[in-house]
Amino acid sequence: KAGVTQTPRYLIKTRGQQVTLSCSPISGHRSVSWYQQTPGQGLQFLFEYFSETQRNKGNFPGRFSGRQFSNSRSEMNVSTLELGDSALYLCASSLAGLAGVDTQYFGPGTRLTVL
Amino acid sequence: AQSVTQLDSQVPVFEEAPVELRCNYSSSVSVYLFWYVQYPNQGLQLLLKYLSGSTLVESINGFEAEFNKSQTSFHLRKPSVHISDTAEYFCAVTRRGSNSGYALNFGKGTSLLVTP
Repeated sequence: KAGVTQTPRYLIKTRGQQVTLSCSPISGHRSVSWYQQTPGQGLQFLFEYFSETQRNKGNFPGRFSGRQFSNSRSEMNVSTLELGDSALYLCASSLAGLAGVDTQYFGPGTRLTVL
Repeated sequence: AQSVTQLDSQVPVFEEAPVELRCNYSSSVSVYLFWYVQYPNQGLQLLLKYLSGSTLVESINGFEAEFNKSQTSFHLRKPSVHISDTAEYFCAVTRRGSNSGYALNFGKGTSLLVTP
């Protein structure tokens, strides 16, 4: 079974631009979560989607948004990029997003650099 | 809200020596606890998790962690480390609930460096 895939793996943007990152979960998984990883702040939860609905949201500004499609693939978008948005963005999927039952599998991440 | 403190940012250790990576959590509600490992240029992999029942949980590669409710800790241990254990280790917590979803709160990570 293929793992969680994220595209692109590397991305360079300039301040003020917007960016869209894509995540394809493991086949059959309906829950997708997004995390931001930076040296200073560590790993921070962005949001979680289940069956096309946002179920949980972290403490990020409205510039960060996401969506999930009917095939469970997910995208996250960051508008008006800032230097501080440079990070590794990790996507994770699980069957139903039930932490007490499912296992969450992480993708390799998308490395975003904002210049 | 839940939070996690990993007390050591770096832990250097010699090969075949024992190691303990410390993790303390804070939460006003019951939680699930996890340890993840991240190898260079890779995503996170689940090492082990505590959901309920026995407070000692084990992974397939020799790591174990013990949930201590009174001390709100979930320390990770291995009796004898290998060079290949060199990686970043993250402790994480999420609140317990039937439909709470996956919203992990991670610690800042501990870099384990195993040398010959």
